[in-house]
Amino acid sequence: NAGVTQTPKFRVLKTGQSMTLLCAQDMNHEYMYWYRQDPGMGLRLIHYSVGEGTTAKGEVPDGYNVSRLKKQNFLLGLESAAPSQTSVYFCASSLTLAGGEQYFGPGTRLTVT
Amino acid sequence: AQSVSQHNHHVILSEAASLELGCNYSYGGTVNLFWYVQYPGQHLQLLLKYFSGDPLVKGIKGFEAEFIKSKFSFNLRKPSVQWSDTAEYFCAAITNAGKSTFGDGTTLTVKP
Repeated sequence: NAGVTQTPKFRVLKTGQSMTLLCAQDMNHEYMYWYRQDPGMGLRLIHYSVGEGTTAKGEVPDGYNVSRLKKQNFLLGLESAAPSQTSVYFCASSLTLAGGEQYFGPGTRLTVT
Repeated sequence: AQSVSQHNHHVILSEAASLELGCNYSYGGTVNLFWYVQYPGQHLQLLLKYFSGDPLVKGIKGFEAEFIKSKFSFNLRKPSVQWSDTAEYFCAAITNAGKSTFGDGTTLTVKP
């Protein structure tokens, strides 16, 4: 099993450009999450999904959109990138919602200039 | 609003020293509590978790944590750290609705 994979690993964008980050999991997990990690601020939840076709806002959803068209994939979109979105983005998935372990991907380092 | 506070941002210990990392959470309902570790260059991995039962939980690599409801705390402990424990440690609280909140993290440096 590959677990949770993220594409791409690194990306540099100019302000105003758009991009999509892809998260894929092969564990048949129902729940998926997108976080951003900034120095000294831990992980902050951007959006999450409790199943195929469903999404919900987390702590810092502004400037991001998500889609969960297939159970195994969770996409994070930036429509118009801003320097404040420079961060490391982690995707995670879990079998159960609250008590289950979240399995994390390797992260995507995004720089917006 | 739900929040998680980790008291120490950076802890430096010598090998064989004992470790205790503080974590306090704030939430009015039921939360499930976790400690994750991120070794240099790696992604986050689960150390241990608590959602009911015995408030003293044991995790991997000799780590344990104690849930004290009256103090809203879930401190992480290890009796004797090793150089390989150098990493960043995150406390997290997840509600039954699935909303997760992580602390800011504690960087542990263990000197050989």
